[in-house]
Amino acid sequence: DTAVSQTPKYLVTQMGNDKSIKCEQNLGHDTMYWYKQDSKKFLKIMFSYNNKELIINETVPNRFSPKSPDKAHLNLHINSLELGDSAVYFCASSQDAGFRGEQYFGPGTRLTVT
Amino acid sequence: AQRVTQPEKLLSVFKGAPVELKCNYSYSGSPELFWYVQYSRQRLQLLLRHISRESIKGFTADLNKGETSFHLKKPFAQEEDSAMYYCALMTGGFKTIFGAGTRLFVKA
Repeated sequence: DTAVSQTPKYLVTQMGNDKSIKCEQNLGHDTMYWYKQDSKKFLKIMFSYNNKELIINETVPNRFSPKSPDKAHLNLHINSLELGDSAVYFCASSQDAGFRGEQYFGPGTRLTVT
Repeated sequence: AQRVTQPEKLLSVFKGAPVELKCNYSYSGSPELFWYVQYSRQRLQLLLRHISRESIKGFTADLNKGETSFHLKKPFAQEEDSAMYYCALMTGGFKTIFGAGTRLFVKA
């Protein structure tokens, strides 16, 4: 069974469109994350949710809005897509909210904005 | 400022040679450090954490608070070690800061 899954794996869309990426974890973890990996493979945290509550919101444009309907899901909605949004987006989850919390990553969603 | 620095973007070694991937951190508190690895076409996964003081797949990493380093080492590199390696710093709360990553290429 896949621990952390994301859909879709690939997403190609035009500038100005609105799109969503879904993430689900079946590990019973309390904390979920969204990361962005740019073309240089740099991995940067965007958001973190703990028990459906937003905990971390890095300097991410307002066009990005995470939504956590329950502890097992953390979706990412992006409005008015821009070329610079092209990247691989990783979802992750962890059991412990703080220290010692190994993170389990999803396979990533490669977003290409044309 | 909280920061993780991996100075090498690419590290290329021959099979059987020792390998060291460098990681330095900046954090005023007590750090929790990890190494994550991403093999080709696979998801990012934990390799080891400093608190466990373990050896995974022949890799070890020692936290040096004086030098604020957490270098990853392996005495004899294997071809299957070729991957992207990320050093990560977990600060208080829910935040993990990743380094820029080092691509290790082990040549036959």
